[in-house]
Amino acid sequence: AQSVTQLDSQVPVFEEAPVELRCNYSSSVSVYLFWYVQYPNQGLQLLLKYLSGSTLVKGINGFEAEFNKSQTSFHLRKPSVHISDTAEYFCAVSSPGGNKLTFGTGTQLKVEL
Amino acid sequence: GAVVSQHPSRVICKSGTSVKIECRSLDFQATTMFWYRQFPKQSLMLMATSNEGSKATYEQGVEKDKFLINHASLTLSTLTVTSAHPEDSSFYICSAREGNTDTQYFGPGTRLTVL
Repeated sequence: AQSVTQLDSQVPVFEEAPVELRCNYSSSVSVYLFWYVQYPNQGLQLLLKYLSGSTLVKGINGFEAEFNKSQTSFHLRKPSVHISDTAEYFCAVSSPGGNKLTFGTGTQLKVEL
Repeated sequence: GAVVSQHPSRVICKSGTSVKIECRSLDFQATTMFWYRQFPKQSLMLMATSNEGSKATYEQGVEKDKFLINHASLTLSTLTVTSAHPEDSSFYICSAREGNTDTQYFGPGTRLTVL
């Protein structure tokens, strides 16, 4: 079985400050990792994904994440946030060739002036 | 590319009625579609997985007779909530996957309110 832990339910940050949203996973097999963003009353938009290759993955809107196998982590980072980044962020894991995405509980990023 | 639509975006119905939600992949063929349910301020819970032309696979605890899923074509899946009750009120989100790729693309969601 796979699981995803997002320890921070809320992260407040000032505009133009850097941010890191933490994600740890548990799996007995190799994994694919994803970050999705959800704006209020909307579906999920894919930010970035790690399938294989370089452990540093760059996504849309200036976000990046680094896969760390030894620490079973896939933290999401952005060097300078904007008000428009305020949203819910979900980390998810699946196994290669597998059907299911397992989601974390989400982190609410609130960017303040 | 990889756009998924859902209709309706919002629906209010009376208790005991049935509601159908459509999920469409607009620019790709979705061999597999997924239906999720999301409660306020919570994560997404997978309800079922549907493959085109075959019966859906339901997650444990999801009543297949209450949540009817049909995946009749490579671009359309429907979720019908039968005999809806207030506890069925939720945000329902579908996703679609093309072939054997590993990325799911999500629809915008449907807010169901049962009075």
